[in-house]
This record gives sequence, structure tokens and C-alpha cells, in this order.
Amino acid sequence: QITLKESGPTLVKPTQTLTLTCIFSGFSFNINGMGVGWIRQPPGKALEWLALVYWDDDKRYSPSLKSRLTIAKDTSKNQVVLTMTNMDPVDTATYYCARPYCRSGSCYVDYWGQGTLVTVSS
Amino acid sequence: DIQMTQSPSSVSASVGDRVTITCRASQGVSSGLGWYQQKPGKAPKLLIYAASNLQSGVPSRFSGSGSGTDFTLTISNLQPEDFAIYYCQQAKSFPLTFGGGTKVEIK
Repeated sequence: QITLKESGPTLVKPTQTLTLTCIFSGFSFNINGMGVGWIRQPPGKALEWLALVYWDDDKRYSPSLKSRLTIAKDTSKNQVVLTMTNMDPVDTATYYCARPYCRSGSCYVDYWGQGTLVTVSS
Repeated sequence: DIQMTQSPSSVSASVGDRVTITCRASQGVSSGLGWYQQKPGKAPKLLIYAASNLQSGVPSRFSGSGSGTDFTLTISNLQPEDFAIYYCQQAKSFPLTFGGGTKVEIK
């Protein structure tokens, strides 16, 4: 059974750095092609893909947020950490950890965490 | 980035109806298109991948079609549990991008 679970602060102040952790089970980074990423969703709005790290440590970022994001994996702990700097109220959203399913060069998300709501406010 | 545009933004329908949602990509994505269903307070669920392939466990009343820039999700014989928001996602290139969503509401 594949599960992913996000953890981190529910409230951060503007200009602070957000650190979110995803702990997963049921699969491993030791598998060729495996990856874990992050997607967010502001209240009442659409989904926005943020970042992805592959089994070989290849990383992909949203171009519009790349300067603020860092994604890292810990294979031994089945864990992925996302940091986002200089948080702003517009970054208030539910942040999802996600496992992509990639085939023929295309990637979909077949497993999602439950999501964690992060509010940015002073 | 590839922009994804869904229409309509909302649709009212009754149980048993057939509902069609369209998604247009700003550039061709071949068959690299997925559809997701999201219910309130829940994470999205993958329904269809590669434009027309049904994800395991998804009822056959859901179907997808299209290629290139124009895609369609059809829900036949709408059931009470199908009232939700539906999103398309282009899977062809990074950054992966989603449409704005279509809310299927009860008439």
C-alpha cells in the first residue's frame, strides 16, 4: 500500500522560510524512474505543480518559483523535503506531496498525500 | 509553460445525465493529458491518463478523448458521487500544468 504524508507548520509569517516534509511508504527511491514531488492549491483555486525530485537526484522546478524552492530527498528515510523562501500571503495554500507515474515521457500523479494547509500571515 | 484552458468552468446536471468537459492546451501535448476528480477537502484522484486510458478502479462511465491540443472528458450516466471538480493536466513537459477546473454541480 502506497501512502504519502506531509508535515510542517500550519502558520508562517511573511518573509519566513517554509519547510515541508513528506514521508512515504510502499515504494522506494531505489527504483529506477521513481520520483516524488509537490503540488499546491490556494483555497478555492486550481492546482499548481511546484517541484519534483527523481531517484537519481535529478530535480525539476516550476520556473516561476524556482528561485525560492529547494527540493531534496533522503532515500534512507523515504523522505522528501521542500523549502520555500520569502513566504508571502499569496502562498497560502494546501500543499500536497505527490508521486508521479511517468510513462512514455509523460508524467501523471497517481498517489497524493492528504495535503497540509499552510497559512501565511503576520 | 503550456497553458491549459478548461470549459465550462461549471456545469449543472442531473443524475443520469451525460456531461462533457473540454480542455485545450496552448501547444500540442500529443496524448500527454490526464484528468483528475477532486471532492471537497480531499486530494485529487487520477481518472484518466494518456488522454483516453482509464486508471485502475475508475468506473467505465468516465471516458477521455483527444490529442494534440483539444481534449474531452465525458461522464456518462452521471452518478451522485460524481459531483465534484474536474481538472485536466498536461503531462508532456515540465512544468506540469493544470487547467482551471470544472465544477459539476447538481441541477
